[in-house]
Amino acid sequence: GEDVEQSLFLSVREGDSSVINCTYTDSSSTYLYWYKQEPGAGLQLLTYIFSNMDMKQDQRLTVLLNKKDKHLSLRIADTQTGDSAIYFCAERPYDRGSTLGRLYFGRGTQLTVWP
Amino acid sequence: NAGVTQTPKFRILKIGQSMTLQCTQDMNHNYMYWYRQDPGMGLKLIYYSVGAGITDKGEVPNGYNVSRSTTEDFPLRLELAAPSQTSVYFCAIRAGGQETQYFGPGTRLLVL
Repeated sequence: GEDVEQSLFLSVREGDSSVINCTYTDSSSTYLYWYKQEPGAGLQLLTYIFSNMDMKQDQRLTVLLNKKDKHLSLRIADTQTGDSAIYFCAERPYDRGSTLGRLYFGRGTQLTVWP
Repeated sequence: NAGVTQTPKFRILKIGQSMTLQCTQDMNHNYMYWYRQDPGMGLKLIYYSVGAGITDKGEVPNGYNVSRSTTEDFPLRLELAAPSQTSVYFCAIRAGGQETQYFGPGTRLLVL
């Protein structure tokens, strides 16, 4: 199976920027995703990026993709206490002949925001 | 949760018991998925379906069965519950030709 690696914990102060990093192994990945999971809740899609893009910005969120190094990052500007959650990176490899759209997830990064 | 409903929210089972986890969508999406999330881990694909009447195994199918008789429903069946099946189970949906999967709120299962 594909390997998606993330650091497990990140702590930041309210108002600072947060940067969550992810590395993946499958060079055929077509899309890469960031999901947010609050305690006791399901996964909420935050954003995704197509593999031929380097950057995508959506309000306070900036996704950077370095395809050569297979490195994906999520930057949250002006981090708030409500951003405290687990953030999952996921990749969607290219499946020749298949439209399954299977996702492979990292273990998640627990972001804690201190007031 | 993007039109995905899962029941029950929480269940405790004894070893050897059986149960069905329900997943229902109102988005008319073709693709449906079942994942499990073990503590401190990412999600692993159990089974998936590309449309009514079509299902297939994912990464971790052992101990589970599925059916897809309608577009709306994709139940997951545990026949003989084992402690290793203690997990949080998520159902997800995706429209054909779209890039994103949307997840339900999850079912927490504890097998004792």
